[in-house]
Amino acid sequence: SQQGEEDPQALSIQEGENATMNCSYKTSINNLQWYRQNSGRGLVHLILIRSNEREKHSGRLRVTLDTSKKSSSLLITASRAADTASYFCATGSNAGNMLTFGGGTRLMVKP
Amino acid sequence: GAGVSQSPSNKVTEKGKDVELRCDPISGHTALYWYRQSLGQGLEFLIYFQGNSAPDKSGLPSDRFSAERTGGSVSTLTIQRTQQEDSAVYLCASSRTSGTIYEQYFGPGTRLTVT
Repeated sequence: SQQGEEDPQALSIQEGENATMNCSYKTSINNLQWYRQNSGRGLVHLILIRSNEREKHSGRLRVTLDTSKKSSSLLITASRAADTASYFCATGSNAGNMLTFGGGTRLMVKP
Repeated sequence: GAGVSQSPSNKVTEKGKDVELRCDPISGHTALYWYRQSLGQGLEFLIYFQGNSAPDKSGLPSDRFSAERTGGSVSTLTIQRTQQEDSAVYLCASSRTSGTIYEQYFGPGTRLTVT
């Protein structure tokens, strides 16, 4: 079963705009990770944020984590057509080493 | 360096047949994971290996599913007597270790279609 949900399920924006995706989860975590997937195949790791961190940056990506609200957001700034993909959040916990994934957000960036 | 590789990339099989899916993790990664992704169920954990420890099989959906990891490296996921609901993309991932927090690196997946 999936840990949580992502919002929105689909997002369409113009190139140059910012894209924000949200992720909610249900149980205690020790880390949250964001992945990207093109064409329904392998996932590419984007960024990892630990439960004691509140914000992290990597290039055009900014991730926030609010453990009190059990939610995270991924912001992609100055989006490009090549950012078109599905984005998944995944949580890890002390209960096991597997990741539990959300349902994903399908992002389309129009040139 | 080389990433996680999986074979075959696509597999079409008849209902009732057995299939084997292979995963080569990144060299030096001690932890290996199998997930599957299907339209109805999203991304689901199946099984996890860490070094020589007993695998965590808590995600396997039925006893038709099994996996092994030989020599702490290559892993094979076997599905016996395949059913149509087994159709999915099977993803393998590896990470440097477990017990602490590390990102997982995914292979390209094997798309299994059961007809």
